[in-house]
Amino acid sequence: GENVGLHLPTLSVQEGDNSIINCAYSNSASDYFIWYKQESGKGPQFIIDIRSNMDKRQGQRVTVLLNKTVKHLSLQIAATQPGDSAVYFCAESPNYGGSQGNLIFGKGTKLSVKP
Amino acid sequence: KAGVTQTPRYLIKTRGQQVTLSCSPISGHRSVSWYQQTPGQGLQFLFEYFSETQRNKGNFPGRFSGRQFSNSRSEMNVSTLELGDSALYLCASSLGINRGADTQYFGPGTRLTVL
Repeated sequence: GENVGLHLPTLSVQEGDNSIINCAYSNSASDYFIWYKQESGKGPQFIIDIRSNMDKRQGQRVTVLLNKTVKHLSLQIAATQPGDSAVYFCAESPNYGGSQGNLIFGKGTKLSVKP
Repeated sequence: KAGVTQTPRYLIKTRGQQVTLSCSPISGHRSVSWYQQTPGQGLQFLFEYFSETQRNKGNFPGRFSGRQFSNSRSEMNVSTLELGDSALYLCASSLGINRGADTQYFGPGTRLTVL
């Protein structure tokens, strides 16, 4: 698929288990963060976002945690399902006073769910 | 509501040629951003358009250009193609350009292969 990278970190989990995908960001000016899911042959799909004034945000089966001290972001997926198998990207949006288009994406983590 | 559409989905060109890719945003969306995705470099921001004006530009050579029309549809052009331009080109649209408020929705991408 388009998002297959030779050196893409892979996380393999059993169906029903919880998954934790980690991401380190680099830009101190980033104050808005987004997680995207990309399935083979498709564009990235928005999952959840979080602003820097929050440490945690929950969605449906997903939770994002933000640790600004160590510039770390994580995505937790509860009761992982086979349909969750995809590549997951974190993206950061630096606050340069401009608009949001210039998202900086991480390299991605491939999640593989075993039935 | 229809999603972001990109045409063509697949394209094969030879070195030195030029190419134009098209993106139709979600109805009502006025912002369009373009990204390049490769296995080696991941997702990289190319440019962002809002109301026919380029608002942000990534770190790509001048061979990469784009424009947006009054109906918010956007095109990007790559001139003098190089082998390294082979990639998945993704378009994302959002209602506006407000960081943290206007979610970017991605299209399926155009797979460009340069021979």
